[in-house]
Amino acid sequence: GQNIDQPTEMTATEGAIVQINCTYQTSGFNGLFWYQQHAGEAPTFLSYNVLDGLEEKGRFSSFLSRSKGYSYLLLKELQMKDSASYLCAAMDSNYQLIWGAGTKLIIKP
Amino acid sequence: GAVVSQHPSWVICKSGTSVKIECRSLDFQATTMFWYRQFPKQSLMLMATSNEGSKATYEQGVEKDKFLINHASLTLSTLTVTSAHPEDSSFYICSARDVTSGYNEQFFGPGTRLTVL
Repeated sequence: GQNIDQPTEMTATEGAIVQINCTYQTSGFNGLFWYQQHAGEAPTFLSYNVLDGLEEKGRFSSFLSRSKGYSYLLLKELQMKDSASYLCAAMDSNYQLIWGAGTKLIIKP
Repeated sequence: GAVVSQHPSWVICKSGTSVKIECRSLDFQATTMFWYRQFPKQSLMLMATSNEGSKATYEQGVEKDKFLINHASLTLSTLTVTSAHPEDSSFYICSARDVTSGYNEQFFGPGTRLTVL
């Protein structure tokens, strides 16, 4: 079956770095997405990886290892506004997104 | 970037009535649109996938006669919740993708919060 695993909740301190891990199993693979979702709002796109390696975009970076079925989202210089849920989603061979349950990130001052 | 709008943003209706939610891609052609439902503190649940000009493909457990989806043009899809009941109260989110663009990204609308009394 198809499955996405990510931690339910993480806590970090303002100004620090946090890494949110995601493992996936899908029928075929067409890329790994990370979305940010604030409470009561729709998800917003953060990153897309389809090749192995690290993609850096400002304070956020995303890593992919296809052989391991593993990705992580790295957030640097954490700000209070980064408190949100972070959704990992893998795209299968039918170009359908398989969603994780999301990781709720709590930032403390 | 690509923009997807949804209307209305929130709606309150009486039990037994029908509610229509519109999803529009404003600056690109959405060959495929997705409808999601999200209950509080839960992840997105895909309800159905619709391709322009064809019938929607519903996920297991989603009643196609209750959740009517129409994708008549490349910029508009509608979801109609028929005979709504309180258990249908949820956050409904659409997303759109242009399969001809070569990009796999789905662009999300802002969501519609439905409350059925």
